[in-house]
Amino acid sequence: AQTVTQSQPEMSVQEAETVTLSCTYDTSESDYYLFWYKQPPSRQMILVIRQEAYKQQNATENRFSVNFQKAAKSFSLKISDSQLGDAAMYFCAYRIDGGATNKLIFGTGTLLAVQP
Amino acid sequence: GAVVSQHPSRVICKSGTSVKIECRSLDFQATTMFWYRQFPKQSLMLMATSNEGSKATYEQGVEKDKFLINHASLTLSTLTVTSAHPEDSSFYICSAKSWTSYNEQFFGPGTRLTVL
Repeated sequence: AQTVTQSQPEMSVQEAETVTLSCTYDTSESDYYLFWYKQPPSRQMILVIRQEAYKQQNATENRFSVNFQKAAKSFSLKISDSQLGDAAMYFCAYRIDGGATNKLIFGTGTLLAVQP
Repeated sequence: GAVVSQHPSRVICKSGTSVKIECRSLDFQATTMFWYRQFPKQSLMLMATSNEGSKATYEQGVEKDKFLINHASLTLSTLTVTSAHPEDSSFYICSAKSWTSYNEQFFGPGTRLTVL
């Protein structure tokens, strides 16, 4: 069974600094997607970044980038130049590519606090 | 684009009553919608996958007679919590799958259910 593990329940970062959130997953599939979602206090889920497993290049979206290590089944999120608005719960998620349902499997989440 | 709405955003009901939650994809057609449940400070747990025109597929441990799902059109899925009890109080989130190249899931804003 596929599982997603986030070992950091809470993290804190100073404004303008850089923080890395960890995620590991377990799967026997070769084609899949990995995601980082942000859930602010409003509870609205927001896609931060996605990574296709077949791509070796790490995905980047402005201040957000990932370190994807397929062999190690690791998928960390780096937030650069942290802003107060980055404070939220962050969920790592996995999805098999293809298949009938494309359902997401979420990790337990990391609560990120940004200190001014 | 790719907006998903949920109605109501909050509902309070008495124990034993039934509550219906609507999930709508506003600007795209969604053949597949997903229903999640989220307890405070926990992750999203998939309850069921809803396919337009067919029966929903429930995850293990989810009572299909208690959580009735109907996906009657390409833009609307409903979740009915029947004979609600206080332990059903939770945050319910839906998502709709868009037929983009990534089969992206777009999330609704969620519904907070409180059963007295």
